This record gives sequence, C-alpha cells and structure tokens, in this order.
Amino acid sequence: AQTVTQSQPEMSVQEAETVTLSCTYDTSESDYYLFWYKQPPSRQMILVIRQEAYKQQNATENRFSVNFQKAAKSFSLKISDSQLGDAAMYFCAYRSASNNNDMRFGAGTRLTVKP
Amino acid sequence: EPEVTQTPSHQVTQMGQEVILRCVPISNHLYFYWYRQILGQKVEFLVSFYNNEISEKSEIFDDQFSVERPDGSNFTLKIRSTKLEDSAMYFCASTRNGFMNTEAFFGQGTRLTVV
Repeated sequence: AQTVTQSQPEMSVQEAETVTLSCTYDTSESDYYLFWYKQPPSRQMILVIRQEAYKQQNATENRFSVNFQKAAKSFSLKISDSQLGDAAMYFCAYRSASNNNDMRFGAGTRLTVKP
Repeated sequence: EPEVTQTPSHQVTQMGQEVILRCVPISNHLYFYWYRQILGQKVEFLVSFYNNEISEKSEIFDDQFSVERPDGSNFTLKIRSTKLEDSAMYFCASTRNGFMNTEAFFGQGTRLTVV
C-alpha cells in the first residue's frame, strides 16, 4: 500500500526567506502523480503544485518548486521569498495513475511565516 | 472561481446520534470523494462516488457510513451512530474526470466533534 510521510509537523520561516518542506512516499508503482496542497486556516485545500512521476524535470509554479527524487521516493516543496500569506497547513499527496480513487495524503506540515 | 462548499463548518453531536455532513461539489464535476483527518494524523480516504454509486471505499467506511447524492447537487455523508473516534475533520472533494490527471477541489471541511 502506498503511504505518504511528512516528517515535519511544524516549520517556521522568516518572511522573504526560503523554506523546504519534506515528503517521502512508498510505492511499488512506476507511474503516479504527486501533489502539494495548501490549506489556509478555515479554508479549503488548494492545489499548489503537481508532478507527474514520468517527468524528470522538477515542477515549478512561481515561488513554489519541488525537488522530485524518484529513486529516493522523495518530493520536497521549496517556497522561495516566503510571504505572510504562505502560512498554512501543507499536505503532500500521492495519487496512483491507474486508480484515481487512490489518493493518499501525509499528515501535513504547519508552516508559520514570521514577519 | 468555482469551489466545493461544505456545511456545517463545525458539528457537535452526542455519541450514538446520527449526523449528516453536506457537500456541494463543483457543478460539472463527476467524481466525488470524502476524506477525513483525525487531529494530528493523516488525511484518510473514505469513499469515492461516481454515477450515483460508490466506486471505491476504504476499510474505514463501514456499515455506519453511507453516502448519497439526493438531488443532483448535494453530496452527503451520513454516520448512523456516531462514536467518539469519529471525531475528525471531514473533507469533501470533487474532480471533473476521475481517470485523468485533473485537479481535485476540496471543501473547507466540517469539524465533527462527538461527545
């Protein structure tokens, strides 16, 4: 069974600095998708960035980028030039390419941004 | 911006009582999901729903749980006889097409507290 592990329950970063959130996963599949979702306080989860496992190039969305290491089964999120609005719960998620219903989440990392 | 809405945001219920959590998915989405997160733990898949029937469910989704789409817009999760361990954040999600790499949209969650 696929599992997703986020080993950092809480992280903090100074405004304008860079922070990296860790995520590892376990799977026997070769084709899958990885996601980072952001959940601001009392708001819905929104997709930050996604990565297809068959792509070697790391996904980037503005200040958000990932370091996808397929062999190591690692999928970290880097937030550059952190802003106060980045403060949220961040969830790493894995979804099988063969079964859309099989979406697994980590426990989340709470990110605090200090002014 | 279309969004998934969930009501209520917080529900307190006595153990043994029935509770219904409501979700309005995005209107042109075809696949619907319920997830839950017990405080401090992983977000866990409960059930997926397509074409007016359950397409997949996890081991958590036992006979105490049921889902339905009563009127073509709402998607509900019913817990027949709540237990203390049902206390969690429940998230509804929807996708346009479950078998493609499409974004899942989540609601803001309903916090269920069983006392």
